[in-house]
Amino acid sequence: QKEVEQNSGPLSVPEGAIASLNCTYSDRGSQSFFWYRQYSGKSPELIMFIYSNGDKEDGRFTAQLNKASQYVSLLIRDSQPSDSATYLCAEYYGNNRLAFGKGNQVVVIP
Amino acid sequence: DVKVTQSSRYLVKRTGEKVFLECVQDMDHENMFWYRQDPGLGLRLIYFSYDVKMKEKGDIPEGYSVSREKKERFSLILESASTNQTSMYLCASSSPTSAKTQYFGPGTRLLVL
Repeated sequence: QKEVEQNSGPLSVPEGAIASLNCTYSDRGSQSFFWYRQYSGKSPELIMFIYSNGDKEDGRFTAQLNKASQYVSLLIRDSQPSDSATYLCAEYYGNNRLAFGKGNQVVVIP
Repeated sequence: DVKVTQSSRYLVKRTGEKVFLECVQDMDHENMFWYRQDPGLGLRLIYFSYDVKMKEKGDIPEGYSVSREKKERFSLILESASTNQTSMYLCASSSPTSAKTQYFGPGTRLLVL
């Protein structure tokens, strides 16, 4: 079973600050990574995916992939109370399957 | 927009009952998935299907079966519900040509008494 690690505990950030989330993976050959947001009691919704080394920006969200160090990050700029949620990292590992991390909870404090 | 729907948002069943959870997607996706999500354990794959009448076991298939008779519909069956199957069940779909992204339904919260 693939392992995707999200080890940080709940993250509290003041409104307007940058929230930074990290995810590490074990397979050096992995190519595709996804970030999902999940509000309490709701299902995961896709924020963005990233395939290439480097940064990918979409609005206030930036995903960063570092294949040499085997980690993928998500930055949330100008954090808003509506960003309070659990963020799931996922890795594509073939046969149409994704392996999900256990998630990191983000709390944005007004 | 991709739309994945699940037959129930909440279900309460008794131990030993046969339970059917249904999922329908409207994007003509080839792949469909059933997960369960439990606190501290994350999302765990139960079964998935990459074509009509095709199925593959995920990481925790014990106690479950699935059916895919039509491309848009994927059913999860609990043959004899047990209390340890109390969970949030999430269905997802994806297409091999759309960046492998999985789109989730709203989830079914199942309580087995």
